[in-house]
Amino acid sequence: DAGITQSPRHKVTETGTPVTLRCHQTENHRYMYWYRQDPGHGLRLIHYSYGVKDTDKGEVSDGYSVSRSKTEDFLLTLESATSSQTSVYFCAISESKGNQKLFFGSGTQLSVL
Amino acid sequence: AQKITQTQPGMFVQEKEAVTLDCTYDTSDPSYGLFWYKQPSSGEMIFLIYQGSYDQQNATEGRYSLNFQKARKSANLVISASQLGDSAMYFCAIVNFGNEKLTFGTGTRLTIIP
Repeated sequence: DAGITQSPRHKVTETGTPVTLRCHQTENHRYMYWYRQDPGHGLRLIHYSYGVKDTDKGEVSDGYSVSRSKTEDFLLTLESATSSQTSVYFCAISESKGNQKLFFGSGTQLSVL
Repeated sequence: AQKITQTQPGMFVQEKEAVTLDCTYDTSDPSYGLFWYKQPSSGEMIFLIYQGSYDQQNATEGRYSLNFQKARKSANLVISASQLGDSAMYFCAIVNFGNEKLTFGTGTRLTIIP
């Protein structure tokens, strides 16, 4: 199994508080992604990174920011959490542009009350 | 932009029968890849199979095969000899090599009946 660790696995927070989710990989893969999964929507891309300090927006990026200061870490931040951001968040990695087979982390269940 | 459509929200299939899960896609990029992922009740996402847009033959991985019909823009997953462990959510996804983004469909929940 690909070495991908998401932390925390579960989090409950209040509306308006900042939240940071961490994705750590040991595969030295270039590409990292953050997705959210909601019933009826499948997985939707929030942000992705194609290298250290190189990031881009996905289809549902509003309210989220990311940072990648090291190859192995990709952080997702909710600056001011809202109830609509209650979701399961998945981190994924892939080796190269031409090889988009994604390996996924175990997910983070975030509840915003 | 790219889009995946999975029109079957749920399916029930008898054990040992073959299963076809439908997937149609839309993209303007001539170079793309199609994927299927499985998500069991435990929640992890498991890669099943991949088909490139220029691949001449349909992809196969064990009991999984991808019925790729480019003109129809369809990429159906076929599972032969279904097993109880195949019960899960199945997601079809597309990546355009021009924008590096993987887009998922809404999924099909497959239940295998003993």
